[in-house]
Amino acid sequence: AQKVTQAQTEISVVEKEDVTLDCVYETRDTTYYLFWYKQPPSGELVFLIRRNSFDEQNEISGRYSWNFQKSTSSFNFTITASQVVDSAVYFCALSDADSSYKLIFGSGTRLLVRP
Amino acid sequence: EAGVTQFPSHSVIEKGQTVTLRCDPISGHDNLYWYRRVMGKEIKFLLHFVKESKQDESGMPNNRFLAERTGGTYSTLKVQPAELEDSGVYFCASSQRRGHEQYFGPGTRLTVT
Repeated sequence: AQKVTQAQTEISVVEKEDVTLDCVYETRDTTYYLFWYKQPPSGELVFLIRRNSFDEQNEISGRYSWNFQKSTSSFNFTITASQVVDSAVYFCALSDADSSYKLIFGSGTRLLVRP
Repeated sequence: EAGVTQFPSHSVIEKGQTVTLRCDPISGHDNLYWYRRVMGKEIKFLLHFVKESKQDESGMPNNRFLAERTGGTYSTLKVQPAELEDSGVYFCASSQRRGHEQYFGPGTRLTVT
């Protein structure tokens, strides 16, 4: 069965620190997609990134970077030089053919960036 | 381009009443999904439409929930009769293709008292 685990329930850092949010997934499918979403205090879910299972290249977008490692079934998210506006709940999610491509979410990691 | 919209943003009803939530997906997105997050728990899938057809409703909790997508445009999710455990945030999302990124609406916070 598909599963996404975000073991870190809450992380607190001081502004300008780097922080990594962990995500571990389980699937039997060979074709799957991984996602990260941000949920700021306003409540909406904001799409950040989608990665398919055949592309293990790391991705960088500004202060955000993602490390995808199939060998450890992990898709970790790093924020460099964190800012107060990064404070939010971050969700990792998985979709694959076995699950009809619906999103299977982790429980989320609440990130608090203190000034 | 307008994003996914949901109405109402917040609904408070009594146990036993009926509530209808509405979702307008991004124009041109054939795939429409409903999810919900009940207090303290994970975001869970409810069902998936492709155009007007239900592709997967394996996440619907019981027959008190009825979803429709008239003409393949907007969708409604009706809860009748509502129970206390239905309280939570109901999200709608749409995507162009299955497996592609899903764009979420702001959610409807449902409170059943």
